[in-house]
Amino acid sequence: EIMLTQSPGSLSLSPGERATLSCRASQSVFSTYVAWYQQKPGQAPRLLIYGASNRATDIPDRFSGSGSGTDFTLTISRLEPEDFAVYYCQHYGSSPPMYTFGLGTKLEI
Amino acid sequence: EVQVVQSGAEVKKAGEPLKISCEGSGYRFGSYWIGWVRQMPGKGLEWMGIIYAGDSDTTYSPSFQGQVTISVDKSTNIAYLQWSSLKASDTAIYYCARHGGGGTYSFDHWGQGTLVTVSS
Repeated sequence: EIMLTQSPGSLSLSPGERATLSCRASQSVFSTYVAWYQQKPGQAPRLLIYGASNRATDIPDRFSGSGSGTDFTLTISRLEPEDFAVYYCQHYGSSPPMYTFGLGTKLEI
Repeated sequence: EVQVVQSGAEVKKAGEPLKISCEGSGYRFGSYWIGWVRQMPGKGLEWMGIIYAGDSDTTYSPSFQGQVTISVDKSTNIAYLQWSSLKASDTAIYYCARHGGGGTYSFDHWGQGTLVTVSS
């Protein structure tokens, strides 16, 4: 089973700054199978990125995803006040079919 | 517009059964998978299982296999998550989400969540 380690566990930044969030897989994975979600307090998760680098519908272009192999990154180029939330990476494993989430990174003001 | 709407909060006692629901609309329900995700108080997301609405093909996470049952009624566009006997440790928010399909390997539309509170 693939394990996902997100770092840092929490990150304090200011609006306008750049945020770089990391997700490391326990073994090499296909980038097609990696996604990122944002969750604000009291809300359901929202899909940001799929296939490691593809923005989901209506996601602003300040959000970008990159990476391959074991290391994946979510970058928020210029933080807006509404971006402060918890971010989760997710992997799909095919044998057997399984979805795994990382423990999350809390992005704080 | 794609919408995923879940049933309301539940308060139950340990040992009681429960079935919660997830209704999809605005898309061809039977052509997509629906997943269920647990979020315990103050914790992260845990994938429980996934069902194909077209033929009820279901895969469970090993952590939840035998603990819950996922089902779907294609005629009403509703997926279900049920327990035969709740435990206090089942207290959590449960989300259903539509799998995006098309090689996206992700969940693109989420329900609002159903809070399940189980007292001992």
